Amino acid sequence: NAGVTQTPKFQVLKTGQSMTLQCAQDMNHEYMSWYRQDPGMGLRLIHYSVGAGITDQGEVPNGYNVSRSTTEDFPLRLLSAAPSQTSVYFCASNPESSGNTIYFGEGSWLTVV
Amino acid sequence: AQSVAQPEDQVNVAEGNPLTVKCTYSVSGNPYLFWYVQYPNRGLQFLLKYITGDNLVKGSYGFEAEFNKSQTSFHLKKPSALVSDSALYFCAVRPSGTYKYIFGTGTRLKVLA
Repeated sequence: NAGVTQTPKFQVLKTGQSMTLQCAQDMNHEYMSWYRQDPGMGLRLIHYSVGAGITDQGEVPNGYNVSRSTTEDFPLRLLSAAPSQTSVYFCASNPESSGNTIYFGEGSWLTVV
Repeated sequence: AQSVAQPEDQVNVAEGNPLTVKCTYSVSGNPYLFWYVQYPNRGLQFLLKYITGDNLVKGSYGFEAEFNKSQTSFHLKKPSALVSDSALYFCAVRPSGTYKYIFGTGTRLKVLA
């Protein structure tokens, strides 16, 4: 009963380093997305995907890349980490049907120093 | 612009008292409405949703929410609060015809023993 799995849970990066946050879901959901959560700002959409091979930008895409080579996986890449990217990142997935619930991973706490 | 507002950063309530966490939205058409709860260092968990039908929706852990179309509100309620209800609550809207969710900034609920 895995649901949405994110790794790593915690990461400290130096400014300028790159890294990938992994996300996998086992529910065969078409849609996947990445959010960042910052105090007082709620959840902001970074990138999303409506199916394998299809991705699009959300509200705050700068500094991040994504790809969706399979239905299950949706990694988020930080190209050159900046302190402004210190945040909690959540991966989510949901089925295509409009009324369906979005399911979240447990979060990845990223600190850029 | 489409938006979701949670006007209270924090709500304090005594254990056993009723609680209300407010949410209003500004989107066109007939959106789908959701409430999620986040416990410390965890991902968001689904509480309840409104798609259509009865304006009073019942969800997990004794929570319910009332949809008011004329006031574009979807307030979360519980008749008798528990200390264990203390958490961060997010309202979310999925505009009809889209696959993007818009989240509010969250309301921290503190239930005092």
